[in-house]
Formats: sequence, C-alpha cells, structure tokens
Amino acid sequence: LAKTTQPISMDSYEGQEVNITCSHNNIATNDYITWYQQFPSQGPRFIIQGYKTKVTNEVASLFIPADRKSSTLSLPRVSLSDTAVYYCLVGDGWSSASKIIFGSGTRLSIRP
Amino acid sequence: GAGVSQSPRYKVAKRGQDVALRCDPISGHVSLFWYQQALGQGPEFLTYFQNEAQLDKSGLPSDRFFAERPEGSVSTLKIQRTQQEDSAVYLCASLQRRGGTGELFFGEGSRLTVL
Repeated sequence: LAKTTQPISMDSYEGQEVNITCSHNNIATNDYITWYQQFPSQGPRFIIQGYKTKVTNEVASLFIPADRKSSTLSLPRVSLSDTAVYYCLVGDGWSSASKIIFGSGTRLSIRP
Repeated sequence: GAGVSQSPRYKVAKRGQDVALRCDPISGHVSLFWYQQALGQGPEFLTYFQNEAQLDKSGLPSDRFFAERPEGSVSTLKIQRTQQEDSAVYLCASLQRRGGTGELFFGEGSRLTVL
C-alpha cells in the first residue's frame, strides 16, 4: 500500500484558491488517487478521483504529474463551508479485494 | 435506503459492557468497510466484507472486536468487555465500484463513549 504524506493543516481566506499537495512516492501502477472531505460529526465524503494528468468536477480539480509521485487537490474560490479535513488516498482497493487506507488528513481552515 | 445508515448514533457504555453497532449499507453494494476514528485522527481501517465473506480483519484491535455480515447486507460490529480506549467514532462505508475505480459512501458513524 502506498503511504501518503500531506500537510497537517492549512489556513486560507474566503474567495482564495486553495491547493493541498499529497506525496505518494511508492504509488503502484494500478493505484488511483482519491480525495475525501470530512466535516465534524460526519463520515468522509468523496470529492474527486484520478489516475493521471488532470481531473475536474464541479467541486474541485486534481492535478497529477507524469511521475504520479504526488498530486494536488485544488479548491477554487473557497468559502467558510470548505473548512474541513481533507484526506488523500492511494490504492487499488476499488476494484480488487483489498483494504482502503486513510491517512491523517489536512485540516483546512477558511477565514472570512 | 438512500444512504448508509448506522445505529445507534451515540452509545455510552460502562467499562466491561458489550456493545453492538449496526450498519445498513446502500442496497446492492457488495463491499462493506468498518473504520475506527479517534478524536482528531483519520479513520483507521478495522475490517471489510465482500458480500458475507470477511476478507480482511487485520485492523481489529483485539479479539474483543468481532464483525459479521451474515446475509451480505446489514453488518454488525460487536465489541466485548469494552475498555476506555475503545471510545471513538465507528464508521461504516459501502463501496460502489465503477470499472477500475469506485467510491466509498460513509454513514454518519456511531460515537461510542466508554466510562
């Protein structure tokens, strides 16, 4: 299982773009990169998933360089409601019978 | 149901009591996961099922923890002789696969407090 490293915490302001980078030097060929968001007293919620290059949805963008040893979650024009913990997951547990592991996450605080 | 349902949402137990936590996954989801989340920490893997088969239980902290999913749908996590260190939120998730990828859908969790 590829180990991930991400900042423990980040601060930003409303209206700014926030980029959270995750390192995963030991990523395997079949591994996908997935980001989850968790608010207090709730279970984590899927944000975005990708394998290479760039993926964009209505919530965020995910940038993955060619070597796939890192990835960056980009949140455009954040608001106070984006204050949450963000988890980067790397693995192939989606299609095969294996466990899906969470790291410690990045606690993002958005200020007015 | 529309989402993953967990019960009870809150459970207070005296040390030494047995507790049972229930998870009702999204209908049709084959894979089901249990996680333990301590305050300020990320979810820690406990165990997972594919249908009724428990394929990995390597994360269960001790033999006091037991999980089952007898008919491949509802799952129960049982903790015997609870200890204070068992206090945590227990999260259940079911997996929707999409080709080679997928998405975990989580319940709101069961918060266990052991006094």
